Amino acid sequence: AQSVTQPDIHITVSEGASLELRCNYSYGATPYLFWYVQSPGQGLQLLLKYFSGDTLVQGIKGFEAEFKRSQSSFNLRKPSVHWSDAAEYFCAVGARGSTLGRLYFGRGTQLTVWP
Amino acid sequence: DAGVIQSPRHEVTEMGQEVTLRCKPISGHNSLFWYRQTMMRGLELLIYFNNNVPIDDSGMPEDRFSAKMPNASFSTLKIQPSEPRDSAVYFCASSPFIFSDNEQFFGPGTRLTVL
Repeated sequence: AQSVTQPDIHITVSEGASLELRCNYSYGATPYLFWYVQSPGQGLQLLLKYFSGDTLVQGIKGFEAEFKRSQSSFNLRKPSVHWSDAAEYFCAVGARGSTLGRLYFGRGTQLTVWP
Repeated sequence: DAGVIQSPRHEVTEMGQEVTLRCKPISGHNSLFWYRQTMMRGLELLIYFNNNVPIDDSGMPEDRFSAKMPNASFSTLKIQPSEPRDSAVYFCASSPFIFSDNEQFFGPGTRLTVL
């Protein structure tokens, strides 16, 4: 069965610093991979997704993520964090070719940004 | 499009009362998902529908929970009777197709408090 691990529950960075949020997945083949962001009191919004092709994918708000098959990872990065990036970030995996349609979400990483 | 619409946004009720949460998916989307988010358990998939038919309800915690989708533009999640441990944020999400390579669009959520 698919599963997602986000090892960091809470990360604190200073504004302007670089950011990397970790995500590891368990799946027997190459999955579909997603990063979502949840601002306080809001629903989840898609940041980026990987289906195939170039392993470095660009998303909204200056985020990018790299798919590394050998490490079963899909880490999210941003070169310079803004205070408005403070939110909770969720990694999710979907089964390629599956008609079941569900996504498996990690527990989330809460990002705090110091001014 | 207005996005996924959920009502009410906040609900406070007393233990034993019936609670009904409502969701209007994005027009044209074929799949609808109900999630529950708590600090303890994170984001949990409760049930999802494709073309108004329930596909997987294995995430529904117990018989007190029921969900319906009478037509393509409306779904309800009902809890009867409600208990304090049902307090959570409930999200509805919709997707154009049921395949996992499609982004899920989340509503703003309903914050349920059961006293």
